[in-house]
Amino acid sequence: GAVVSQHPSRVICKSGTSVKIECRSLDFQATTMFWYRQFPKKSLMLMATSNEGSKATYEQGVEKDKFLINHASLTLSTLTVTSAHPEDSSFYICSAFSGRGGDTQYFGPGTRLTVL
Amino acid sequence: GEDVEQSLFLSVREGDSSVINCTYTDSSSTYLYWYKQEPGAGLQLLTYIFSNMDMKQDQRLTVLLNKKDKHLSLRIADTQTGDSAIYFCAGTRSGNTPLVFGKGTRLSVIA
Repeated sequence: GAVVSQHPSRVICKSGTSVKIECRSLDFQATTMFWYRQFPKKSLMLMATSNEGSKATYEQGVEKDKFLINHASLTLSTLTVTSAHPEDSSFYICSAFSGRGGDTQYFGPGTRLTVL
Repeated sequence: GEDVEQSLFLSVREGDSSVINCTYTDSSSTYLYWYKQEPGAGLQLLTYIFSNMDMKQDQRLTVLLNKKDKHLSLRIADTQTGDSAIYFCAGTRSGNTPLVFGKGTRLSVIA
């Protein structure tokens, strides 16, 4: 199946710093990527939908100035958590949709962010 | 919007069959998925079923879909300790729309 990678897999940062998380589709071009957030022992909640070459669409309650999403190419989307605070600590997962040869989204392995 | 419900816990003995149930509200959900998540790891796609299917079998996994009742189940035959994980069902209308996830069912396999 298709492969989606995320980098880094784990990051610990100080409060007030910014962290960038990359999501890459390794063997297909992703027209659409989604960013989800998972709190401990909770389900995944959609944060935003990212389409290549256009602005991301954010879900209600998600601050677009805090969670900056850039989908500059068909194989890369980035999520930048700006001025991170401890409450931003979470597991962030991306998924990618190719739009060709099937209708399945492929998920990355996730990035665990811990803000001290 | 879509709402997906799952029971939170299931405990089975090694070698028995496990059945994880899921209900959803949006009748226009076309794609229904089952994902597995082990502790500290990401999501692993186990299987998926289209809404025009009633059943799909893939080795030890059998997915049953009752579209009338909006009920989806995942049966794991000959459950092993390595199957212990959280299982999420999720639905979406198409591949380029976001998935709506259930809260996950924690499967514990007793040796």
